[in-house]
Amino acid sequence: EAGVAQSPRYKIIEKRQSVAFWCNPISGHATLYWYQQILGQGPKLLIQFQNNGVVDDSQLPKDRFSAERLKGVDSTLKIQPAKLEDSAVYLCASSTGTSGGQETQYFGPGTRLLVL
Amino acid sequence: AQSVTQLDSQVPVFEEAPVELRCNYSSSVSVYLFWYVQYPNQGLQLLLKYLSGSTLVESINGFEAEFNKSQTSFHLRKPSVHISDTAEYFCAVSTAAGNKLTFGGGTRVLVKP
Repeated sequence: EAGVAQSPRYKIIEKRQSVAFWCNPISGHATLYWYQQILGQGPKLLIQFQNNGVVDDSQLPKDRFSAERLKGVDSTLKIQPAKLEDSAVYLCASSTGTSGGQETQYFGPGTRLLVL
Repeated sequence: AQSVTQLDSQVPVFEEAPVELRCNYSSSVSVYLFWYVQYPNQGLQLLLKYLSGSTLVESINGFEAEFNKSQTSFHLRKPSVHISDTAEYFCAVSTAAGNKLTFGGGTRVLVKP
């Protein structure tokens, strides 16, 4: 079974530029998550989708971050414009969406973003 | 809201020695507890989880964790570590209300020969 795929793996941009990350979850997984992991910290949830609807985006800085999950499968996360403090690893995860808080989340390898 | 505290940011340990990684949580409702591991240059993967029942849970590679409700803790232990256990370990909680995970800051384990 293929795991969660993410691209690109690394990205370097200058502040005020825009950037987009792509995630392909495990086939059949209804729930998709985007996390931000700043160096030295644990992952922080940015947004959670159930199929193509948003369940939780309370921690998403909506003035610069946006995310979509068209057709309930792939997802993209965009930052526009980027700030220095956006330098982090962006993790995508997916889960079946059938067991609530008991579910195991499956993580992709992450995209490491450096904003100069 | 929930919060998770991992008391040790780094734990150096010699090969074949025991290790304990401490995790404490705060929540006003019942929680599910998880330990995830992140090996170098890899994504996070589930190590073990507590949902209900026996408070001692085990993983397939020799780790175990014990849920202590009175102490609001979920410490992770292994009696004898291997070089391959070098990784970062994250404690996390979720609730029945939703599958959002709240993570601790992580503990980096470095196993020395």
